[in-house]
Amino acid sequence: GDSVTQMEGPVTLSEEAFLTINCTYTATGYPSLFWYVQYPGEGLQLLLKATKADDKGSNKGFEATYRKETTSFHLEKGSVQVSDSAVYFCATREDTGRRALTFGSGTRLQVQP
Amino acid sequence: KAGVTQTPRYLIKTRGQQVTLSCSPISGHRSVSWYQQTPGQGLQFLFEYFSETQRNKGNFPGRFSGRQFSNSRSEMNVSTLELGDSALYLCASSLERLTNEKLFFGSGTQLSVL
Repeated sequence: GDSVTQMEGPVTLSEEAFLTINCTYTATGYPSLFWYVQYPGEGLQLLLKATKADDKGSNKGFEATYRKETTSFHLEKGSVQVSDSAVYFCATREDTGRRALTFGSGTRLQVQP
Repeated sequence: KAGVTQTPRYLIKTRGQQVTLSCSPISGHRSVSWYQQTPGQGLQFLFEYFSETQRNKGNFPGRFSGRQFSNSRSEMNVSTLELGDSALYLCASSLERLTNEKLFFGSGTQLSVL
């Protein structure tokens, strides 16, 4: 089945620093790729998505590009804010069969003022 | 529009007991999925219900079961609880089947098994 590997956290950055959270996946087909964010005490929210190779998902200053050749979907933001502190989950969705989401283990981001 | 509501927010049980968790999806959403979140295993898919029928199932033992009612509300049941069942159980709803990736998650039920 599909699997997703994310960099271990926590990632601690100062405000306005550049953020990269690495994500790689294994899949048998051509999955869709997602980043979800979980703020403290809340459920997960879809942050961005990409459905085919070379697609770039973007939202709230975050970006991620679907790289089929490296099976990666790294999350980036040019200038983080304290309000970005949360846990970020990379996920894949199978393009056939069960089509359930497979999540990575999550990466906690802490942004200090 | 109200979001996905899960009750109770916290639950403490002992080994061998059973537990029922509840999820009310966003109004108009017909699909409800359940996930288990633990520090070691991350988020794992339990099952999906659509139109009162289980449509997909993850790799969990038969002690984990669920159902969906005609109003799309869903319940999840875990019987003969084990210590390893301690986790945050998340419910997510979507308009249609899992083919629609716009999942909306609830805040979860934190289950502690002692």
